[in-house]
Amino acid sequence: NAGVTQTPKFRILKIGQSMTLQCTQDMNHNYMYWYRQDPGMGLKLIYYSVGAGITDKGEVPNGYNVSRSTTEDFPLRLELAAPSQTSVYFCASSYSSTGNTEAFFGQGTRLTVV
Amino acid sequence: QKEVEQDPGPLSVPEGAIVSLNCTYSNSAFQYFMWYRQYSRKGPELLMYTYSSGNKEDGRFTAQVDKSSKYISLFIRDSQPSDSATYLCAMTLLNDMRFGAGTRLTVKP
Repeated sequence: NAGVTQTPKFRILKIGQSMTLQCTQDMNHNYMYWYRQDPGMGLKLIYYSVGAGITDKGEVPNGYNVSRSTTEDFPLRLELAAPSQTSVYFCASSYSSTGNTEAFFGQGTRLTVV
Repeated sequence: QKEVEQDPGPLSVPEGAIVSLNCTYSNSAFQYFMWYRQYSRKGPELLMYTYSSGNKEDGRFTAQVDKSSKYISLFIRDSQPSDSATYLCAMTLLNDMRFGAGTRLTVKP
């Protein structure tokens, strides 16, 4: 079982560059999420989706965009990379709302903006 | 004040010790309370979740929720070196899951 797969695992970006973090899941989950994890700060929700074609902002959406054209894929786009976006990014999925079901996380993408 | 407060540690204990991990929160609207375990360079994995005040036990792990005090705990009995990880408390409000900073635990053989 692949679960939640994120690519790339590591990336170094220059200020102002753009990139897309890929996330795909093979569990047929409706709900998908993007989090960022900074040292000593826990995970913060960037965007989430409750199904194909539906996305909504989380706690820290500025500087990011998402799309959800299929159930399986939920890419995260950084348009103009800034040093403040240096972080570890995690994609997650769940069968329903994270309230009462397990969220499955990918391995993370370590992004450095220089 | 952060919505979810968790002492980041680090916490180091000998093998076999009882470990107590704690979080406090400020938003009484939180509905579900969870503990995730995160090994180094990996994504978090769900350990336990609870809804109501009280205790929930699963093997060596016990989760405790006190909604009146806005306080949750995770107890690990007979701790093992394989329990060495970062433990994150989390709590949900609709589709938003709010995490604590995580406590880094090391269990020494």
